[in-house]
Amino acid sequence: QQQVKQSPQSLIVQKGGISIINCAYENTAFDYFPWYQQFPGKGPALLIAIRPDVSEKKEGRFTISFNKSAKQFSLHIMDSQPGDSATYFCAAIDGAGSYQLTFGKGTKLSVIP
Amino acid sequence: NAGVTQTPKFQVLKTGQSMTLQCAQDMNHEYMSWYRQDPGMGLRLIHYSVGAGITDQGEVPNGYNVSRSTTEDFPLRLLSAAPSQTSVYFCASSWDSLGSYNEQFFGPGTRLTVL
Repeated sequence: QQQVKQSPQSLIVQKGGISIINCAYENTAFDYFPWYQQFPGKGPALLIAIRPDVSEKKEGRFTISFNKSAKQFSLHIMDSQPGDSATYFCAAIDGAGSYQLTFGKGTKLSVIP
Repeated sequence: NAGVTQTPKFQVLKTGQSMTLQCAQDMNHEYMSWYRQDPGMGLRLIHYSVGAGITDQGEVPNGYNVSRSTTEDFPLRLLSAAPSQTSVYFCASSWDSLGSYNEQFFGPGTRLTVL
């Protein structure tokens, strides 16, 4: 049972464009939604995170949009740069249960010059 | 600080062999965990620990053992390796037992191949 569904699996964006990665979930007990960024050969690193009591969080060129009623959230990367090329994972935490991270399957982003 | 360190970086095993993947952190984090990453599968939790002497199972624990005798170290043991355990293994740590609400710091990973 895949609790966090992530799409697309891969994404190619031109430099300066907007990259959009979407995630959906079913478990209404999820109450914290982080995004992790992973470069080839490295471990994932926290990029940005949001709680469901806000609809949007922005940090520099990275924005999370959250739709609680639709149980969907997305990552927007504005002015995408080649250095943003990485794999991005959305995740969710069940604050009423195990407190463990459940990851989406990842999106490989390639930003071409 | 070195952060989270993992050894070895690469390992090739034959079916049935045993080995231990090492993980250490120097940030005095209480919470540590092991994940495996497989193509198209994301990261799946194997085992985790909320402090020295306390461990619990994650989503995919079968075939793996862990122990936590010190705050710093959290080794992962494969008792009898199987080809299905071919994967990249990541260790992670964070501040406290509500570990997932805090940023998890990941190590660089161990790439394991079981023939």
